[in-house]
Amino acid sequence: SQTIHQWPATLVQPVGSPLSLECTVEGTSNPNLYWYRQAAGRGLQLLFYSVGIGQISSEVPQNLSASRPQDRQFILSSKKLLLSDSGFYLCAWSVGQGETQYFGPGTRLLVL
Amino acid sequence: LAKTTQPISMDSYEGQEVNITCSHNNIATNDYITWYQQFPSQGPRFIIQGYKTKVTNEVASLFIPADRKSSTLSLPRVSLSDTAVYYCLVVEYNFNKFYFGSGTKLNVKP
Repeated sequence: SQTIHQWPATLVQPVGSPLSLECTVEGTSNPNLYWYRQAAGRGLQLLFYSVGIGQISSEVPQNLSASRPQDRQFILSSKKLLLSDSGFYLCAWSVGQGETQYFGPGTRLLVL
Repeated sequence: LAKTTQPISMDSYEGQEVNITCSHNNIATNDYITWYQQFPSQGPRFIIQGYKTKVTNEVASLFIPADRKSSTLSLPRVSLSDTAVYYCLVVEYNFNKFYFGSGTKLNVKP
């Protein structure tokens, strides 16, 4: 069966520090991968998605970036965090475009 | 992307059937309807998906009228553990962008 992992589970970072969140999927090949952010009490906002290695589409211009160095690995990064980057970051995967998305456990980021 | 409108919150009691209605007036021919459930500090979990009429699985039913401008998620005999936020999404076939609104916060009381 397929599983999706995210780490770390929680993270507290100072403003201006770098960020690296990792997501890996097991049990499937060539998945579509997604990064979402959820502010407290709000819905999910799609940040990036990828249909293959090295292929990244950005949905929201900001100081975050994403990379997909391997088929089942998706990384969310920032060079300098802002206070507004705080939130709950979720990684998801799907078999193909428009297919059901399966979410990871999430990373809660607090920027101070 | 077709936007969706759901009630912000609903209250229910254990053992009752809960129906959450979602409006999606601008749904297109290639769109289908998907519902997710999210518990606090967890990722959303897929519940059910449908295109038209009625779909039923082991946890819920989804009713979609002929005009497809709305849909209703039905949860039979809810329990306290069904307290969560429920999101209705309209998803375009072969398209990657899922739009999550604010969802409906369901509070099940004993």
